[in-house]
Amino acid sequence: EAGVTQFPSHSVIEKGQTVTLRCDPISGHDNLYWYRRVMGKEIKFLLHFVKESKQDESGMPNNRFLAERTGGTYSTLKVQPAELEDSGVYFCASSRSAGTVSYEQYFGPGTRLTVT
Amino acid sequence: KNQVEQSPQSLIILEGKNCTLQCNYTVSPFSNLRWYKQDTGRGPVSLTIMTFSENTKSNRRYTATLDADTKQSSLHITASQLSDSASYICVVKTGTYKYIFGTGTRLKVLA
Repeated sequence: EAGVTQFPSHSVIEKGQTVTLRCDPISGHDNLYWYRRVMGKEIKFLLHFVKESKQDESGMPNNRFLAERTGGTYSTLKVQPAELEDSGVYFCASSRSAGTVSYEQYFGPGTRLTVT
Repeated sequence: KNQVEQSPQSLIILEGKNCTLQCNYTVSPFSNLRWYKQDTGRGPVSLTIMTFSENTKSNRRYTATLDADTKQSSLHITASQLSDSASYICVVKTGTYKYIFGTGTRLKVLA
């Protein structure tokens, strides 16, 4: 079984540019999460999808961030326009669920975003 | 405020030695507590999951403890190996889908 994959592994862009990160969850996992780790800080929650619906996007920093999960499979996270403080490692995780029970989260390797 | 604090921030030990990492949390409501291992350039990988009623859980050379009264957890690594060098992250689940992460302890095992 393939794990969670993320693309690209590393992205370097200039301030003001746009970047789109992609996450492919484990097949059959309805739950998909985006997290971010800024240098020296803890991993922080950004948002959570259940299938194609946004369950919780309370962690999204501002409206420069847009996440989508069309069809309930892969997800994209777009940052437009990027700012210096957006630099960090963006992790995606997925899990399956049954009713109100959520199961183990499996993390992808992350995308390291550097905004210069 | 929901918070997870870990200590020490970093630790260096010699191969074969034991070590204990600490996690204190102020998270409510509490669902479970997880310890993750994160190798450089990789995503976190789960080591143990502990629910409110569990005091101790072992996974090979890793033993996690949980004291729900004092809201403390520890991760004990026995007979450390070079491959144990990584960041260890304590994560508390609150509610059905929300996870609060600690900043992690960076462990370096030297030959």
